[in-house]
Amino acid sequence: DAMVIQNPRYQVTQFGKPVTLSCSQTLNHNVMYWYQQKSSQAPKLLFHYYDKDFNNEADTPDNFQSRRPNTSFCFLDIRSPGLGDAAMYLCATGQARGSTQYFGPGTRLTVL
Amino acid sequence: QQQVKQSPQSLIVQKGGISIINCAYENTAFDYFPWYQQFPGKGPALLIAIRPDVSEKKEGRFTISFNKSAKQFSLHIMDSQPGDSATYFCAASMTSNTGKLIFGQGTTLQVKP
Repeated sequence: DAMVIQNPRYQVTQFGKPVTLSCSQTLNHNVMYWYQQKSSQAPKLLFHYYDKDFNNEADTPDNFQSRRPNTSFCFLDIRSPGLGDAAMYLCATGQARGSTQYFGPGTRLTVL
Repeated sequence: QQQVKQSPQSLIVQKGGISIINCAYENTAFDYFPWYQQFPGKGPALLIAIRPDVSEKKEGRFTISFNKSAKQFSLHIMDSQPGDSATYFCAASMTSNTGKLIFGQGTTLQVKP
């Protein structure tokens, strides 16, 4: 089945220790999004790629970076995680900008 | 103007009852309105979506009602089941722009057996 896959599902890191979260998709969608979702809150868009074109949200901290080496994969790098970065990180894909977004299962990040 | 306001924050319904969740928006440039269902520890899953050229869309037990003049839309879950217990998010986007989803605050639905 075509889908959005996120690895790992659970990630524990130490304060200040860089961490990378992975997203892959078999939908062959052009757009890949990264969201941060904290407990009892709505998902918050961090950035997205339209093909290789990177689009950062104005309020996304510099601590968050992303890479998309090919159509199928996208990575979220947190350079120096703080306690406030503990959250669920969701990857989503869309065929085009403005089309339906399909979410992965998320990665739960814990910062110790 | 980019906000989507969702109510109620939480909802308890008896099995077989109707669950109603409401959303309101301000930006008339929004032209795509999806609803997502999210279970604890899972990613949001698209439930149903509507565009402003129709006033209602039904898929099984789920119906979106859309009022363009009032800038409001709502989700109705008919014959609510315990398995429907989840958090529901409405959202809005401008398909001509980046397609960024503006989410409502979410509604936690509990369906009692």
